[in-house]
Amino acid sequence: AQKVTQAQTEISVVEKEDVTLDCVYETRDTTYYLFWYKQPPSGELVFLIRRNSFDEQNEISGRYSWNFQKSTSSFNFTITASQVVDSAVYFCALSERVNKLVFGAGTILRVKS
Amino acid sequence: GAGVSQSPRYKVAKRGQDVALRCDPISGHVSLFWYQQALGQGPEFLTYFQNEAQLDKSGLPSDRFFAERPEGSVSTLKIQRTQQEDSAVYLCASSLASGSVEQFFGPGTRLTVL
Repeated sequence: AQKVTQAQTEISVVEKEDVTLDCVYETRDTTYYLFWYKQPPSGELVFLIRRNSFDEQNEISGRYSWNFQKSTSSFNFTITASQVVDSAVYFCALSERVNKLVFGAGTILRVKS
Repeated sequence: GAGVSQSPRYKVAKRGQDVALRCDPISGHVSLFWYQQALGQGPEFLTYFQNEAQLDKSGLPSDRFFAERPEGSVSTLKIQRTQQEDSAVYLCASSLASGSVEQFFGPGTRLTVL
């Protein structure tokens, strides 16, 4: 069965701090995809990144970076030099061969000025 | 607009009423998904369409929930005889193709059942 665990319910940081959001997943499939979505107060889920299970190369996009480690079944997300606009709920999600996404419970990130 | 749109944005229903929630996917997107998001939780899968075919409805919580996409574009999620536990945000997403590609989400419909 698929499962995504985001152990951090809520994180508060001060602007310009770095912050890492943890994601641990469970799957029996060897082919799967991992995603991160951002949900700002407006409610619309915004796609951030997709990784497939065969590509463990870490990725950086501006202030965002992702660390995928199959050995620990983790797909962590780091925001460098956080900004107030980064305040949102962040969801990690898993998809196997079928199309549906299985989401974690989300991590609320509060960035204070 | 270029994104996924949903209507209404907010719906208040009395227990026992039927409701219909509409989703307009991005033009040309083959796949369409419905998710239910309870307060403080992550979205949970309800059902999936590829064009007009409903390929997976394993997430629908009861036979009171019904979804359709008759022409392979607009989709409607219908909930009959609403219960208080149906209160949630209902999210629609579309993707360009089948397979695990990124899904683009609409703003959701917040349903409150009194």
